[in-house]
Amino acid sequence: KNQVEQSPQSLIILEGKNCTLQCNYTVSPFSNLRWYKQDTGRGPVSLTIMTFSENTKSNGRYTATLDADTKQSSLHITASQLSDSASYICVVSAKTGANNLFFGTGTRLTVIP
Amino acid sequence: NAGVMQNPRHLVRRRGQEARLRCSPMKGHSHVYWYRQLPEEGLKFMVYLQKENIIDESGMPKERFSAEFPKEGPSILRIQQVVRGDSAAYFCAGRTNAAETQYFGPGTRLLVL
Repeated sequence: KNQVEQSPQSLIILEGKNCTLQCNYTVSPFSNLRWYKQDTGRGPVSLTIMTFSENTKSNGRYTATLDADTKQSSLHITASQLSDSASYICVVSAKTGANNLFFGTGTRLTVIP
Repeated sequence: NAGVMQNPRHLVRRRGQEARLRCSPMKGHSHVYWYRQLPEEGLKFMVYLQKENIIDESGMPKERFSAEFPKEGPSILRIQQVVRGDSAAYFCAGRTNAAETQYFGPGTRLLVL
């Protein structure tokens, strides 16, 4: 069964600190993996997209990693800011199927001053 | 998610009424997806449409729910005879033929009294 699991479910960190969010998936055949940021009351916005051959991809203070062998991904946020408070959603795409996106339930990050 | 428009942003209905949610994807995006998000939960796929055609409606309840994406005009998600359990945020996302990345709208928050 194609599934995407994220941990932790929620996280509270101090402003300026780093954090890492985890994503494990069982989606097959794998096409790509995306991390989205969803601010409260808004739609998700894409942060990074990684294909099978990519191990690391950065977008500013966000760095995503992918281990296709263990089917794990992480999103590392450095020097967190208050504006990083949001839900971070891991989305895995399969190569087959008309609707081939599988969503994690997200990690709710709160950055406090 | 700039460019994807959804309206209304908030909709209040009484049980038994009809709810019509509209989504205008970005120009050139002929593929539209609808998702439902309950509080504290992840996005759940409902239906995938490509201009005038329903490609996959496996996530949409068979009764009371319908969706369309006409040749001209926005995509419409229609919920007839709403019940309290329909209260949720409904997001649409669009993409082009060539790319997989979906661009999300800001969502419509439906509250059924």
